[in-house]
Amino acid sequence: EIVLTQSPATLSLSPGERATLSCRASQSVSSYFAWYQQKPGQAPRLLMYDASNRATGIPARFSGSGSGTDFTLTISSLEPEDFAVYYCQQRSSWPRTFGQGTKVEIK
Amino acid sequence: EVQLLESGGGLVQPGGSLRLSCAASGFTFSTYALSWVRQAPGKGLEWVSAISGSGDVRYYADSVKGRFTTSRDNSKSTLYLQMDSLRAEDTAVYYCAKSMFGGSGSYFDYWGQGTLVTVSS
Repeated sequence: EIVLTQSPATLSLSPGERATLSCRASQSVSSYFAWYQQKPGQAPRLLMYDASNRATGIPARFSGSGSGTDFTLTISSLEPEDFAVYYCQQRSSWPRTFGQGTKVEIK
Repeated sequence: EVQLLESGGGLVQPGGSLRLSCAASGFTFSTYALSWVRQAPGKGLEWVSAISGSGDVRYYADSVKGRFTTSRDNSKSTLYLQMDSLRAEDTAVYYCAKSMFGGSGSYFDYWGQGTLVTVSS
């Protein structure tokens, strides 16, 4: 099983600041990698797929990078609606796995 | 518009059974794999199982293998999760999720609202 480790666990930032979230895989997943956003009481929403492609309707302030074992999600300038929990996920092998999440909270 | 609507959650005793359903609309159901993903209270996401569009290929997390069975009825555009021998650690919100690409499970581009399963005596 591929283990995904996200860092940091919590990111405290102010609106307008840049957020950088990381996810490391225990073995290479090539670019078969995604990011999701989840707000309280809601289902997750797909943000990025294949490491760097924005899903439909996702604003350009979200960007993803990486390949192999190290991946980054960047939010260039935080909007109030971006404060949420973010999860990474791999589809390189079974079982599909998620990271434990990074909470982006208002400082 | 793609919609996924789960039902069937509730309170069940340890060792009991429950069947979840997920009614889908807004896309060609048989073309896409579907998955169940769960989230224990206050915890992260855990992928549970996936089934191919035709229903002939299924995958399970080790934590549920041998206890849970995923199936689908393409004539009814409905996904199922039969959960047997339930344990306290199965307590979670269960989401059904549509795969972004055809074929086997990939990324999850649409999710239902979730149904809560509570395993407790």
